[in-house]
Amino acid sequence: RKEVEQDPGPFNVPEGATVAFNCTYSNSASQSFFWYRQDCRKEPKLLMSVYSSGNEDGRFTAQLNRASQYISLLIRDSKLSDSATYLCVEGGYNKLIFGAGTRLAVHP
Amino acid sequence: DTGVSQDPRHKITKRGQNVTFRCDPISEHNRLYWYRQTLGQGPEFLTYFQNEAQLEKSRLLSDRFSAERPKGSFSTLEIQRTEQGDSAMYLCASSLRSLASSYNEQFFGPGTRLTVL
Repeated sequence: RKEVEQDPGPFNVPEGATVAFNCTYSNSASQSFFWYRQDCRKEPKLLMSVYSSGNEDGRFTAQLNRASQYISLLIRDSKLSDSATYLCVEGGYNKLIFGAGTRLAVHP
Repeated sequence: DTGVSQDPRHKITKRGQNVTFRCDPISEHNRLYWYRQTLGQGPEFLTYFQNEAQLEKSRLLSDRFSAERPKGSFSTLEIQRTEQGDSAMYLCASSLRSLASSYNEQFFGPGTRLTVL
């Protein structure tokens, strides 16, 4: 079993839609998690940190469910510019452990 | 630009040649990480430094790979006797790790794309 698992997608949604991604992790002792965004052939960029039960930043909401060991990312009012790959990340004390990513394509 | 920088951005080499990549972290960051990413996968951890000390190496880092951070600032990653399977994006990241924080937000450079022919 992979340490961090994500649905690869792609998720094809119209502008303005709400879309949610889920991610599961295997290490029950993990304390911190992140969502990174990666555009094609670019580096991953930190989107949100998920430290406790979750947090919100504008159109983006991340939630952490420790009992079920999953993290979710909700994007409201999708924009064309949200099209990217979203990487779920388990943040250990040292290294980051990445999922394979979920592709999102927002169309007009 | 005060972000993480990497050089070169692209490298094409022939199988069997040695290559070296450089990473300059964000200046106040004490930790530096190397990751490798292949198409359709997330980045995979290779190794990391705290200041000049290399504290962890992944089993992915075969004996053909070596990384250094001699003065606790920039780092180099060398691959000897390259193989076609080494073709990937090599990403560097840095973070500021302190006793006051248990979190580990890492910021990535643009990567070096290696193609081994």
